[in-house]
Amino acid sequence: EVHLVESGGGLVKPGGSLRLSCAASGFSVSDASMNWVRQAPGKGPEWIGRIKSKPDGATTDFAAPVKGRVSISRDESGNTLFLQMNNLKIEDTAVYFCTTDDLFGDYPMFVHWGLGTLVTVSS
Amino acid sequence: DIQMTQSPSSLSASVGDRVTITCRASQSINTYLNWYQQKPGKAPKLLIYAAFNLQRDVPSRFSGSGSGTDFTLTIRGLQPEDFATYYCQQSSSSQISFGGGTKVEIK
Repeated sequence: EVHLVESGGGLVKPGGSLRLSCAASGFSVSDASMNWVRQAPGKGPEWIGRIKSKPDGATTDFAAPVKGRVSISRDESGNTLFLQMNNLKIEDTAVYFCTTDDLFGDYPMFVHWGLGTLVTVSS
Repeated sequence: DIQMTQSPSSLSASVGDRVTITCRASQSINTYLNWYQQKPGKAPKLLIYAAFNLQRDVPSRFSGSGSGTDFTLTIRGLQPEDFATYYCQQSSSSQISFGGGTKVEIK
């Protein structure tokens, strides 16, 4: 059974950095494409980035609001996905989820989600 | 980037009602359209993928239709557990985007 657990959220000052983790079980993070999605309080989900599977080249894509400030990486031995966020802004305050990037043919969809970790950016 | 617009933003309905939610893409996305249900404090849950395919274990009262730019999520015979917020998501572009959501409330 697929299980995702995010951690690493907390309170950080504007301009600060944070690294979020997503511990996976039931599959290998290296063999999967995965995403980070965030949700600001009272708002809808916002996709922020994806890392393709290792067999697909492990390339990354990021949404415009975070491009240049975030990176996604994996630790194969720990079966964990990471989101490194730098130069954080107040508008980055949100619950951050990791998700699997599943395919129906070539149709991507987000089947498995973690419970999320809250990041609060405030002075 | 592709913008996704949902309507209405909220609606009130009674148990047993038929509910229709629409989602419009700013450009054609073929059938690269997914629907999610979210309850307070929980992660979104995939209901429909590729516009009209029902995810495993999702009740058959949920259905999706549409292609190109206009899509619909229909709930036939609304149940108490269906009161939630629903989001569409396009996966046509490498820049994935979600709609603003439709909150289904009890009348």
